[in-house]
Amino acid sequence: DAGITQSPRHKVTETGTPVTLRCHQTENHRYMYWYRQDPGHGLRLIHYSYGVKDTDKGEVSDGYSVSRSKTEDFLLTLESATSSQTSVYFCAISESPGPDYFGSGTRLTVV
Amino acid sequence: GENVEQHPSTLSVQEGDSAVIKCTYSDSASNYFPWYKQELGKGPQLIIDIRSNVGEKKDQRIAVTLNKTAKHFSLHITETQPEDSAVYFCAADKTSYDKVIFGPGTSLSVIP
Repeated sequence: DAGITQSPRHKVTETGTPVTLRCHQTENHRYMYWYRQDPGHGLRLIHYSYGVKDTDKGEVSDGYSVSRSKTEDFLLTLESATSSQTSVYFCAISESPGPDYFGSGTRLTVV
Repeated sequence: GENVEQHPSTLSVQEGDSAVIKCTYSDSASNYFPWYKQELGKGPQLIIDIRSNVGEKKDQRIAVTLNKTAKHFSLHITETQPEDSAVYFCAADKTSYDKVIFGPGTSLSVIP
């Protein structure tokens, strides 16, 4: 998966707890993205980054925050997890705008 | 905002036949149209893209066509093989290129 590592691969958490998902790349690509994938919705952009400390919101950013302190790492935080945030989360990277390479995903279940 | 529709939602073809997946978009300002393939248990993979200044693009057995007037674009796979079985997503974006909007996906099954 083009030098992209997502962690954890699976996580079960309780409603109301904070959760952080990590995306690590070894490609030195400028752009990094967080998507969520749900049945019938395709992939929806949560947040993206166009450089260190440069981030912007996507279609479904409510309830999520991100941080990028290093080129290689992009963190997605659910401040207080809700059942509606149960999903598969994908990180993606690209050298130019538009996602080119995706990670293997993190399956998050909020109970 | 942009809305991308995709048809059919499922498609079964015999090995060796062609497969066609069609997408429509709503925002006439969109000018970048990528296609992704997602195999079971994996992340999506960019397989081909087209920009609005081009009407057709080919890469071996895969081709994309774009009709900007009608706001629709299509993926054509010829001589299908079992390894083509996957979910295919179309997407569209405007000049910013950083907020690609995905269609809901088409599950393609190639029957040996």
